[in-house]
Amino acid sequence: KAGVTQTPRYLIKTRGQQVTLSCSPISGHRSVSWYQQTPGQGLQFLFEYFSETQRNKGNFPGRFSGRQFSNSRSEMNVSTLELGDSALYLCASSLGGQGSGNTIYFGEGSWLTVV
Amino acid sequence: GQQVMQIPQYQHVQEGEDFTTYCNSSTTLSNIQWYKQRPGGHPVFLIQLVKSGEVKKQKRLTFQFGEAKKNSSLHITATQTTDVGTYFCAGAGGNTPLVFGKGTRLSVIA
Repeated sequence: KAGVTQTPRYLIKTRGQQVTLSCSPISGHRSVSWYQQTPGQGLQFLFEYFSETQRNKGNFPGRFSGRQFSNSRSEMNVSTLELGDSALYLCASSLGGQGSGNTIYFGEGSWLTVV
Repeated sequence: GQQVMQIPQYQHVQEGEDFTTYCNSSTTLSNIQWYKQRPGGHPVFLIQLVKSGEVKKQKRLTFQFGEAKKNSSLHITATQTTDVGTYFCAGAGGNTPLVFGKGTRLSVIA
């Protein structure tokens, strides 16, 4: 079956702009989580959505937001982009929610460069 | 909050040598998971450990979960160039999301 699909794969934005990233989870998976990966900070948890509800949220400013649709697809949005937002944004899906022993499966990620 | 420390940050080995990465949590974990990320790729699930003192093997990889469920290790015997990548541990505690260590980047010199 198809894996986790993220679009776009690569994008370049200017400071102050906003960006929306999309994630389609594995069919049947109801949980979608988002991570930011940078060389210095590793994998940082942004938020998790389960059945359209935000279950957990990481320690990121309000400029980072997300949502999940009834078909489990998810989007995350970053407003007022800063240079430090340049990173690989990874989406991960799981059958149940995180913390319940479910394996999470990552997409290939969206590489965001802010100039 | 929960923190997961992973060491070493980098490891360079000659092909055929062994490799070990260690993971320590500030709190007791319900389970620990290990992931591998190849250069330019995304993290891929390797294994999950749930029981205290659990040891699991996958070919040349041996995973251990500590008795107190606060630490774990991944040992690779006789490394190969295909083992190159970054290995992450991720700890789960109750209903909280996975907390990832910063990873150990393994380089294998042929």
